[in-house]
Amino acid sequence: GDSVTQMEGPVTLSEEAFLTINCTYTATGYPSLFWYVQYPGEGLQLLLKATKADDKGSNKGFEATYRKETTSFHLEKGSVQVSDSAVYFCALSDLDSWGKLQFGAGTQVVVTP
Amino acid sequence: DAGITQSPRHKVTETGTPVTLRCHQTENHRYMYWYRQDPGHGLRLIHYSYGVKDTDKGEVSDGYSVSRSKTEDFLLTLESATSSQTSVYFCAISDGGNTGELFFGEGSRLTVL
Repeated sequence: GDSVTQMEGPVTLSEEAFLTINCTYTATGYPSLFWYVQYPGEGLQLLLKATKADDKGSNKGFEATYRKETTSFHLEKGSVQVSDSAVYFCALSDLDSWGKLQFGAGTQVVVTP
Repeated sequence: DAGITQSPRHKVTETGTPVTLRCHQTENHRYMYWYRQDPGHGLRLIHYSYGVKDTDKGEVSDGYSVSRSKTEDFLLTLESATSSQTSVYFCAISDGGNTGELFFGEGSRLTVL
């Protein structure tokens, strides 16, 4: 079945550092790929998405490119802020699965001043 | 923000007691989902609904039942709660668009003693 693997955390960074969170997936079809973010005490909210190969999703300075050849969707941000401290989830949705999402385990990011 | 309300937000109960969590949406979305979030597992799908009175099982459905008698309400019931069901439960909704994007509620934290 479909699955998502993302790097374990926590990832601790200083403010203005470069952030990369690796995400790879296994899917039989051509899934849509997502990054969701969860701030402390809140539900998940969509950060960015890509629906086909070579698409780049971007939002709030974060970017991720759908790489079909490496089955990857790595999240990057060039200069993190303390407010980026959160848990980040990579997820995929197969169009045959009624929009159900398969999530990775989540990566906690801690940004220190 | 998507209009999704979960209740109760926090509940402590004892093993063997029944528990019902409610999800209410004001978006008139067709699809509704219940996920549970546990450390190291990300989010896992319990049950989902693709319309009034139309529901199906997800990845971790044992010990849970659901009902959807109205478009706006999706109930998750633990018939006899166990300690392994201690978790944070998230409701999500989708309009079924081809990107598979979900909108999440703020979560219900359940502790089973």
